[in-house]
Amino acid sequence: GAVVSQHPSWVICKSGTSVKIECRSLDFQATTMFWYRQFPKQSLMLMATSNEGSKATYEQGVEKDKFLINHASLTLSTLTVTSAHPEDSSFYICSARDHRASGSVSGELFFGEGSRLTVL
Amino acid sequence: SQKIEQNSEALNIQEGKTATLTCNYTNYSPAYLQWYRQDPGRGPVFLLLIRENEKEKRKERLKVTFDTTLKQSLFHITASQPADSATYLCALGTGTASKLTFGTGTRLQVTL
Repeated sequence: GAVVSQHPSWVICKSGTSVKIECRSLDFQATTMFWYRQFPKQSLMLMATSNEGSKATYEQGVEKDKFLINHASLTLSTLTVTSAHPEDSSFYICSARDHRASGSVSGELFFGEGSRLTVL
Repeated sequence: SQKIEQNSEALNIQEGKTATLTCNYTNYSPAYLQWYRQDPGRGPVFLLLIRENEKEKRKERLKVTFDTTLKQSLFHITASQPADSATYLCALGTGTASKLTFGTGTRLQVTL
């Protein structure tokens, strides 16, 4: 199946710094990628939909100035957590659908391995 | 408000038995439903998709049912193995948007 690579897999940073997480589709093109956040023993919460070449669509309650998303190419989306604080510590996961299957909105999502962020 | 509920308590079963996991939803009209497996510290992996006009789908030892009247999906793993131990997530999607909304997941533990 299609592969989505996420980097870094874990990161520890100091409070107030910014952290960038990359999400790449390795063997397919993705016009749309999705960023999720997951707290321990909880479900995935959609943060935003990343659209190639245009602005991301954020879910209600997600601060767009806090979580900057850039989708500059069909294979790369980045999430930057700006001025991170301990409450931003979480597991961030990206996902994507194969561009070739975009005509079918029910296609499976391919997930990255996730990025564990710890803010001290 | 919209809700997707999965049994939050872990399901413990013996190897060889059939595991049945439940996904109930309210205030949704999903066009399709998907099931994913998630191992600790890893991203989810797609297992099965079932559309609103389908009653049942099978894939190897997996079977999914979808009852839009009961607003429920059941996920079965037959002849379960310890390697099936993981958290299983259901996710609902509508025909008008491509994003998925996930349930809380059920942890399955298969013992020898």
